[in-house]
Amino acid sequence: SQTIHQWPATLVQPVGSPLSLECTVEGTSNPNLYWYRQAAGRGLQLLFYSVGIGQISSEVPQNLSASRPQDRQFILSSKKLLLSDSGFYLCALILGPYTDTQYFGPGTRLTVL
Amino acid sequence: RKEVEQDPGPFNVPEGATVAFNCTYSNSASQSFFWYRQDCRKEPKLLMSVYSSGNEDGRFTAQLNRASQYISLLIRDSKLSDSATYLCVVNGRVSGGSYIPTFGRGTSLIVHP
Repeated sequence: SQTIHQWPATLVQPVGSPLSLECTVEGTSNPNLYWYRQAAGRGLQLLFYSVGIGQISSEVPQNLSASRPQDRQFILSSKKLLLSDSGFYLCALILGPYTDTQYFGPGTRLTVL
Repeated sequence: RKEVEQDPGPFNVPEGATVAFNCTYSNSASQSFFWYRQDCRKEPKLLMSVYSSGNEDGRFTAQLNRASQYISLLIRDSKLSDSATYLCVVNGRVSGGSYIPTFGRGTSLIVHP
């Protein structure tokens, strides 16, 4: 079965600093990958999704970007963090175009000070 | 109208109680439906899929009513360990070969002794 790894688990960053969060997947190939953010006490907000290497779709225009340099690697980045970027960042996958169940990684908790 | 709506609760029930959650969705073309459980500061985990015929897994029963566009989750004989936030998820959109799940904001359940 598939496993989703996220790194780091927690992060504290100053406002204006850059960000790089990594998501890697094991046990499957060609997954659809997703980045979500969950602000404190709020619901899940879809940020980006990808159906393949180099293919990124953005749901919410903001100061974040995503990249998929390899089939099982999904990266979330920012050049300058804002206070409002604080939250719980979750990477998720759907195994392929003919399945519809989503599975989540353990998440990265980001605090911007 | 929000795409997926849930009563945020909290539902505060004693052990052994039966509790029901409802979720409504706006996209009549939605194709698949799920309930997830999210513990505090953890990632969402799939609880069960929801089918038109209804499905049961132990103490949990899920129902889908397409005509009225709502999904329900029934928990019988509540346990302390059932305390969590329950997320309703609807796959109503497909883009570029990828399902785009839409999450409700969740219903909080607290089971007390």
